[in-house]
Amino acid sequence: GAVVSQHPSRVICKSGTSVKIECRSLDFQATTMFWYRQFPKQSLMLMATSNEGSKATYEQGVEKDKFLINHASLTLSTLTVTSAHPEDSSFYICSARLGQTRRDTQYFGPGTRLTVL
Amino acid sequence: AQTVTQSQPEMSVQEAETVTLSCTYDTSESNYYLFWYKQPPSRQMILVIRQEAYKQQNATENRFSVNFQKAAKSFSLKISDSQLGDTAMYFCAFMKLTGSARQLTFGSGTQLTVLP
Repeated sequence: GAVVSQHPSRVICKSGTSVKIECRSLDFQATTMFWYRQFPKQSLMLMATSNEGSKATYEQGVEKDKFLINHASLTLSTLTVTSAHPEDSSFYICSARLGQTRRDTQYFGPGTRLTVL
Repeated sequence: AQTVTQSQPEMSVQEAETVTLSCTYDTSESNYYLFWYKQPPSRQMILVIRQEAYKQQNATENRFSVNFQKAAKSFSLKISDSQLGDTAMYFCAFMKLTGSARQLTFGSGTQLTVLP
């Protein structure tokens, strides 16, 4: 149980284009999903918290107009990198919160490697 | 704000031996959860073990156990009978329980290599 999928696993795009990444909780409903960015050999950096049916909460320094987050259902959140540039190249990871009483835990997707040419 | 510190960037252990990874944290919260996640070369984050701060008993999951010292704000992970598949980056993480967001604060990670 508690499986999270992420699609695509890898994407290469040209500078200036937009890229959408999907995060799905496959066997549970997640009212909250999180989006992280990870640089090589570094820890995960929280970008935003995505709540179903409401606007995402962005961390300081993360441009909300550049990283659009939509959490339209209890099993799906999407991250769209708009007008991507080479500096947006990174590994993006989502997680979904399984929020049961005293079992509150985040489960992670396998990540998406974005390369912007 | 919470901080999580992992002071060992890299560690190695011989197969079948035991290794302990260190983690300390700083918080003013009294109720929280602590986690260890592993990230193997595939980069999939995998939950290793969870500890609720209100529990005095240390959590165990098969070959993985923790030494939770609440007063010292220490949360180390012990891996017994290390296996080659344990080679991964290990992250310690803190979750405060006040508020609805339940965000994780991660340490910088410890790269563990299990040697044959």
